[in-house]
Amino acid sequence: DAKTTQPTSMDCAEGRAANLPCNHSTISGNEYVYWYRQIHSQGPQYIIHGLKNNETNEMASLIITEDRKSSTLILPHATLRDTAVYYCIVRGTSGTYKYIFGTGTRLKVLA
Amino acid sequence: NAGVTQTPKFQVLKTGQSMTLQCAQDMNHEYMSWYRQDPGMGLRLIHYSVGAGITDQGEVPNGYNVSRSTTEDFPLRLLSAAPSQTSVYFCASSSIRDRGIDEQFFGPGTRLTVL
Repeated sequence: DAKTTQPTSMDCAEGRAANLPCNHSTISGNEYVYWYRQIHSQGPQYIIHGLKNNETNEMASLIITEDRKSSTLILPHATLRDTAVYYCIVRGTSGTYKYIFGTGTRLKVLA
Repeated sequence: NAGVTQTPKFQVLKTGQSMTLQCAQDMNHEYMSWYRQDPGMGLRLIHYSVGAGITDQGEVPNGYNVSRSTTEDFPLRLLSAAPSQTSVYFCASSSIRDRGIDEQFFGPGTRLTVL
């Protein structure tokens, strides 16, 4: 599976959009990009995933560049409850069952 | 649905003791996995299973055993606990589709301290 690189930490003002980048320059054509977050010491929570098209759900938007070498998770109106560690994961399709987390980005939403 | 449940929530062991961390899911998921998370670190995959009777090693399997006799349960065994195994352990489950593992659902974690 492709390796990902994320900034260690970021701050965002409450009510503003939080844009969390992820670099996955070695991604291959059949690998998906997944985002999870971990609030305090709880178990990680799934946010969104995509292959090559931009995706949006009730929690966030995922923007994947055309060459698929990087992506951005967007929380459109960050709240204090969005303070968490955000993990970007790239994983392959059938036959690849190792799901590798990196160290993630610690997002702090400021009041 | 209860989702993914883990027991116990907290455990303290002495070096050399053995124990089993329990994990169960009621979503009929084929895929189950165990992670450990050390303070300030990300999650590291210990073992995983893609169905009853099928298990495989993750990134950090040494010192841990698993088995998968049913779809619902995936226990993690520490045969001889060491202080280096002090960590928070998360169990997760997922369905398997054409694109591979779907989104994973995580349990609340077991906080293990080995003295």
